[in-house]
This record gives sequence, C-alpha cells and structure tokens, in this order.
Amino acid sequence: GNSVTQMEGPVTLSEEAFLTINCTYTATGYPSLFWYVQYPGEGLQLLLKATKADDKGSNKGFEATYRKETTSFHLEKGSVQVSDSAVYFCALTQGGNNRLAFGKGNQVVVIP
Amino acid sequence: GAGVSQSPSNKVTEKGKDVELRCDPISGHTALYWYRQSLGQGLEFLIYFQGNSAPDKSGLPSDRFSAERTGGSVSTLTIQRTQQEDSAVYLCASSLDTTTSGNTIYFGEGSWLTVV
Repeated sequence: GNSVTQMEGPVTLSEEAFLTINCTYTATGYPSLFWYVQYPGEGLQLLLKATKADDKGSNKGFEATYRKETTSFHLEKGSVQVSDSAVYFCALTQGGNNRLAFGKGNQVVVIP
Repeated sequence: GAGVSQSPSNKVTEKGKDVELRCDPISGHTALYWYRQSLGQGLEFLIYFQGNSAPDKSGLPSDRFSAERTGGSVSTLTIQRTQQEDSAVYLCASSLDTTTSGNTIYFGEGSWLTVV
C-alpha cells in the first residue's frame, strides 16, 4: 500500500538557519504529494503541494520538488524564523478516494 | 461556512459512555474525511464519505466506532462504550470531491476527546 516516511526525531535549529525535512514515499503510479503544517494549538493547514513529477510546490518561503526518480518530496526553507516552529507532515493521495496517507511528522523548533 | 467546523472542541467523558462528534464541512464539498491523531500513532485515517455514501470504512478501529452523513453535509462520528485508548484528537476534513487526485483537503481544528 501507499506509505510516507519522514526522518526520525525533532529538528532544532537557530533563526535564519537552513531547514531540510526529508520525505520519501512508496506508491504505485503517480500520487499527489503534500506538506501540511500544524502550528501550536491549531489545526492542520496545507503548506504546499505538487501533483506531478518535477513540479515544485512553494509557499511562505518553503519549497519541495516532486522527484519521481528518488520517490522523494523533501521540504526546504532557506532562512527559518521563530514563527516557523510547528509540526510538519508529509502526505500523499492516490486513486479514486483522495485519501491522505501521512508520515509521522517532524517537530521543528526554531530558537531565537 | 468559511472552513471545516467541528464540535465539541473539547470533550471529557467517563469510560463506558457514548460520545458523538460533529463535523460541518466547507459548503459545496462533497467529500468528507475523519482522521484520528494520537501520541505514538500519528495521523490515522478512519473513514471517508463521497456524498452520503461511505465506500471505505477500513480505518475504523472497532465496531464501537460508526459514522454517518446526511444531506451530503454534516457528519457525525459516534464512539460507543468509550475506552481510555480512544482518547485522541478527532479531525474532520473535506474536499471538493474524491475523484480528482490532488484536490486540496481542508481540515478542521479537531475535537479533543479525553476518556477518564
């Protein structure tokens, strides 16, 4: 079945540092790929998405490129802010039900 | 409405009691999803509806869990004879439909359920 794998453990970094969160997936065919973010005390929000190979999703300074050859959708931001502290979930949908399969999530803590 | 609305936002219930959680999707969205978020389990799919029909109930943890949707709009998730392991955040989401891959799925803020 479809699955998403995110790197283990929380990520702690200083303000203005470069952020990368790895995400790889297993799926047959051509899934759509998403990053969702959950800020403290809030619900899940869509951060960005890509629906076909080589597409780049971008929003709020974050980017992720759909790489079919490596089955990856890594999230990057060049200069993080304290306000980026949140939990980030990689996810995919495929098939006729549009059901999301999520990774375990990564907590990102940005220190001033 | 402007977004997916869920109620109650918080619920504390005694073990063995039944609970109902309500979801009001974004107007015009025919697809509705229920997920559960708990420590150690991440985000688990429970059930989805296309209109009033639920083609995929594979994620429901046990027969104590059921869900219905009427009028293609509001959905209710019912947990009977609650157990402590049911404590979690129950998230509802909606999208325009289920047939178009890549449709954005919008989430509500969740119902926090605590079983004591």
